[in-house]
Amino acid sequence: AQSVTQLGSHVSVSEGALVLLRCNYSSSVPPYLFWYVQYPNQGLQLLLKYTTGATLVKGINGFEAEFKKSETSFHLTKPSAHMSDAAEYFCAVSPNAGNNRKLIWGLGTSLAVNP
Amino acid sequence: NAGVTQTPKFQVLKTGQSMTLQCAQDMNHNSMYWYRQDPGMGLRLIYYSASEGTTDKGEVPNGYNVSRLNKREFSLRLESAAPSQTSVYFCASTWTGGLFYGYTFGSGTRLTVV
Repeated sequence: AQSVTQLGSHVSVSEGALVLLRCNYSSSVPPYLFWYVQYPNQGLQLLLKYTTGATLVKGINGFEAEFKKSETSFHLTKPSAHMSDAAEYFCAVSPNAGNNRKLIWGLGTSLAVNP
Repeated sequence: NAGVTQTPKFQVLKTGQSMTLQCAQDMNHNSMYWYRQDPGMGLRLIYYSASEGTTDKGEVPNGYNVSRLNKREFSLRLESAAPSQTSVYFCASTWTGGLFYGYTFGSGTRLTVV
C-alpha cells in the first residue's frame, strides 16, 4: 500500500535561510507527487507537482522539489525563506495507474519563519 | 473563475442536529472528494465520487452520507451530529481523464458540534 512520510511535524527557520521540508513515499508503481500549502484558516493550494518528465520541479513562490526515485523522496526546498512562507505544507502521492486519482497524504509539516 | 465553492464557511450545531455541507465546482471535473482535517491527523477522506452517479466510502465514512447531485455538486450530510465530528471539512475535485494535475480544494467549512 502507498504511504507518505513527512519528517518533522514542525520546522522552524530564520528569514533568509534555506527551507527544506522532507517527504518520502512508498509506491509500487511510478507515482504522481504533489506538494500543497495551507495558509492559516484557508484551503489547500497546489504548490507544485511531478507527473512525468523532468525530475526537478519548480512551483509557485520560489519553491522547488526533486523527485528521486532511488531514494523514494520528493523533498521541498526554497533557497531563502520569507515571513509569508509560514504555513502548513502537505506532501501527497497518487499511483500512476489507470484512472485512480486518490491521493495519499502525509500528516503535514508546519513551517515557522523567524525574523 | 470560482473553482470549488463550499457553503457554509462556519457552523455550530448541537449534538443530534443534522446539516448538509454543500460543495460545487465549475471546472467540469468528474471526480469529487470530501475530507476532514483535524490537528495532528492530516487530511482524512470521508467519501468520494469518481464520476457522476457513483459514490464510495473513504477512510472515515461513519456518521456521514453523501449525494452527487449532478456533475457540479457533491453534498455531505451529517444526520445526527456528534462532538467527534467537530472538524474542518474540505471539498476537492479533479479531472481523471488524462494527466493528473492534482486536486482543487474549496476554502473549507469549520464545524463545531456542542
